[in-house]
Amino acid sequence: DGGITQSPKYLFRKEGQNVTLSCEQNLNHDAMYWYRQDPGQGLRLIYYSQIVNDFQKGDIAEGYSVSREKKESFPLTVTSAQKNPTAFYLCASSITGSYNEQFFGPGTRLTVL
Amino acid sequence: GENVEQHPSTLSVQEGDSAVIKCTYSDSASNYFPWYKQELGKGPQLIIDIRSNVGEKKDQRIAVTLNKTAKHFSLHITETQPEDSAVYFCAARDYKLSFGAGTTVTVRA
Repeated sequence: DGGITQSPKYLFRKEGQNVTLSCEQNLNHDAMYWYRQDPGQGLRLIYYSQIVNDFQKGDIAEGYSVSREKKESFPLTVTSAQKNPTAFYLCASSITGSYNEQFFGPGTRLTVL
Repeated sequence: GENVEQHPSTLSVQEGDSAVIKCTYSDSASNYFPWYKQELGKGPQLIIDIRSNVGEKKDQRIAVTLNKTAKHFSLHITETQPEDSAVYFCAARDYKLSFGAGTTVTVRA
């Protein structure tokens, strides 16, 4: 069964703690993306990676970090420097190229207590 | 960078009626325009897309039109059904996808 998995579905964290969100895909896609979704807003790009061991900042990268050590995996760390981390986080993947569909995972809802 | 505006933010239609969502974009270099449907608590799913060299595309009850000169594109859903109730996002791509803020569509039975 091909697709993108994100875990956990719900995550709670105390202020000042770092937390890592998992994203795995078995679609053999080279490109992977992380988006943040807030109520009433569109998806905003945090980081993206077009190839293993390489990634670029998106529009709202401050307070986040990523790694891309394997083609299948693109974990996102929300650091304590992120001022307002409570949000719905979506991971996506695609083959590279201008017209290629991005496939989204089911998302992780992060709540900072 | 690209800026995508989407209207309306909410749309309520009677089952069987049509729904229209409109988006504008700012970057004339954008060449790919997908539409995504997101159900509650799930990730968005692509429902239709259009490239800049095409003016209209249709897939059963959904259609998208693109006016490159005016930099706007629209989603049309005909014969709406309760399962069409969801949040719909438009997007435009120059070197990355930029999303509109979304439209919450409610189909009344």
